[in-house]
Amino acid sequence: DAMVIQNPRYQVTQFGKPVTLSCSQTLNHNVMYWYQQKSSQAPKLLFHYYDKDFNNEADTPDNFQSRRPNTSFCFLDIRSPGLGDAAMYLCATSSGQGAGEQYFGPGTRLTVT
Amino acid sequence: DQQVKQNSPSLSVQEGRISILNCDYTNSMFDYFLWYKKYPAEGPTFLISISSIKDKNEDGRFTVFLNKSAKHLSLHIVPSQPGDSAVYFCAASYFSDSARQLTFGSGTQLTVLP
Repeated sequence: DAMVIQNPRYQVTQFGKPVTLSCSQTLNHNVMYWYQQKSSQAPKLLFHYYDKDFNNEADTPDNFQSRRPNTSFCFLDIRSPGLGDAAMYLCATSSGQGAGEQYFGPGTRLTVT
Repeated sequence: DQQVKQNSPSLSVQEGRISILNCDYTNSMFDYFLWYKKYPAEGPTFLISISSIKDKNEDGRFTVFLNKSAKHLSLHIVPSQPGDSAVYFCAASYFSDSARQLTFGSGTQLTVLP
């Protein structure tokens, strides 16, 4: 089955200790997105890639970086996690066509201690 | 500034009855609207979409209605089943920076009571 996979599902890191979350897809979609979702809030777009072209949202903190080494993989790096960065991080992919349906992975729950 | 709003954080309905989930938006540039369903510990799953040039789209038990003049859309589920219990997100689609992007509402928790 074509899918979006996120690893790990749960990540605990210490305040200020860099952490990397990973996402892979078998859908061969051009576009990959990273969202941050805090409890009872809407998923908030951090950035997206169209192929290798990186697009950062204006209000995404510099603390958040991303890499997309190939079509299948995309990484979210948090350079110095703060307590406010504890959240669910969702990866999604899209062909970019039609209504823009996005296909989501199960998310990584990040805890900062 | 929330461009997509779901004002009801929760909704409970009896099995077999109709569930109506509502969503309001502010930006006239949105040209598609989508509904997603999310179970605990899973990512959101696409349910149904509607183009801004239509006022209704139906897929089995799910129907989405769009009222452009009121900037309002709703998702109807008939008949509701216990397996429909989940968080439902409304999303609005627009094209920016070489790709379609979605702006999400904060979700409505639907509970279908047996």
